Amino acid sequence: NAGVTQTPKFRILKIGQSMTLQCTQDMNHNYMYWYRQDPGMGLKLIYYSVGAGITDKGEVPNGYNVSRSTTEDFPLRLELAAPSQTSVYFCASSYNTGGGEKLFFGSGTQLSVL
Amino acid sequence: DAKTTQPPSMDCAEGRAANLPCNHSTISGNEYVYWYRQIHSQGPQYIIHGLKNNETNEMASLIITEDRKSSTLILPHATLRDTAVYYCIVRVQSGNTPLVFGKGTRLSVIA
Repeated sequence: NAGVTQTPKFRILKIGQSMTLQCTQDMNHNYMYWYRQDPGMGLKLIYYSVGAGITDKGEVPNGYNVSRSTTEDFPLRLELAAPSQTSVYFCASSYNTGGGEKLFFGSGTQLSVL
Repeated sequence: DAKTTQPPSMDCAEGRAANLPCNHSTISGNEYVYWYRQIHSQGPQYIIHGLKNNETNEMASLIITEDRKSSTLILPHATLRDTAVYYCIVRVQSGNTPLVFGKGTRLSVIA
């Protein structure tokens, strides 16, 4: 299994540009998440999904959109990039066994908005 | 905001046990305590989780107090590769809500 795969690994955007961060997992997990991490800080939850067709806002959703048309894919869309969105973005997936859950993270996308 | 309190940083000598504390005084009776770590700029890595009883796996041990208001993650023989930020996590809300990461403890293992 590849686990959680994120693309691209690095990206530089100009202010006002748009892009989609891709995330796919091959573990058949129902739950998927997007976090962002600013330098020296902890992770902040942007959006999450508990299954295909269902998404919900996290702590810092403004400026982002998501969709979950399949179990495997959970893309994150930035419509009008702003310097405040310069960050490292992590996608994660998990399943709940009833005895707690375990998150599996991708390797991250480093985004700079200039 | 996270429901846990951790020291911002700790040092540990290589080969010694690293004991990382966490306070979670408002934890509800059916919520788990989770520990993750993040090495440099990699994605966080699951370590261990527990409910009431102490837990042990190949990476670490988790000691939860009887009143469940605090816990300690133990790395029995710390190596330089254990240098990382360690996150103690309890759900902000009960139910199928996401895990919220705080700032964690930056553990430095020193040769």
